[in-house]
Amino acid sequence: GEDVEQSLFLSVREGDSSVINCTYTDSSSTYLYWYKQEPGAGLQLLTYIFSNMDMKQDQRLTVLLNKKDKHLSLRIADTQTGDSAIYFCAPLTGGGNKLTFGTGTQLKVEL
Amino acid sequence: NAGVTQTPKFQVLKTGQSMTLQCAQDMNHNSMYWYRQDPGMGLRLIYYSASEGTTDKGEVPNGYNVSRLNKREFSLRLESAAPSQTSVYFCASSLYAQPTGRETQYFGPGTRLLVL
Repeated sequence: GEDVEQSLFLSVREGDSSVINCTYTDSSSTYLYWYKQEPGAGLQLLTYIFSNMDMKQDQRLTVLLNKKDKHLSLRIADTQTGDSAIYFCAPLTGGGNKLTFGTGTQLKVEL
Repeated sequence: NAGVTQTPKFQVLKTGQSMTLQCAQDMNHNSMYWYRQDPGMGLRLIYYSASEGTTDKGEVPNGYNVSRLNKREFSLRLESAAPSQTSVYFCASSLYAQPTGRETQYFGPGTRLLVL
């Protein structure tokens, strides 16, 4: 089955940029999603990228996709304390009807 | 528009007890899902319902049953709870069984279950 790998923790200072990385194995993934989970809450859709793009920008968020290396990253510019959360990478796999979630990266923003 | 709601928020069970987790959505979505979240393992799909009247097994279905009661509601039942089922359970829904861009899965707030 599909494997989706993420590092477990990332710590940054407020105002710096954060980069959260994800690698996956299913080269046929069409849409690749990023979800955010705040403490004690459910997952909320943050952004996504279609596989024919290599970059997508959405305000402070930049998604980069390297299809050749099956590597996805999420950059958060000017990181704020409110960005502290767990971030999940979720490529669409299994012929396009299954989201496979990574282990999640816990982002801690320090003052 | 409440989105996806789940009850209860928290539950403590003894081994062997049964319970049903409830999920409802008000977005007129066709597909609904149950996931469990365990530390360091991301989310794993338990069961899903692509449309009203159908249900299918996901990655980790053992020990669970589901009912798609109507288009809005999808329940998850633990017939005989085990400590290995201690987890956080999330319900999700989507307009289509195949996510397309922003028409993807939207999640409820979760149910935290402890089995002693």
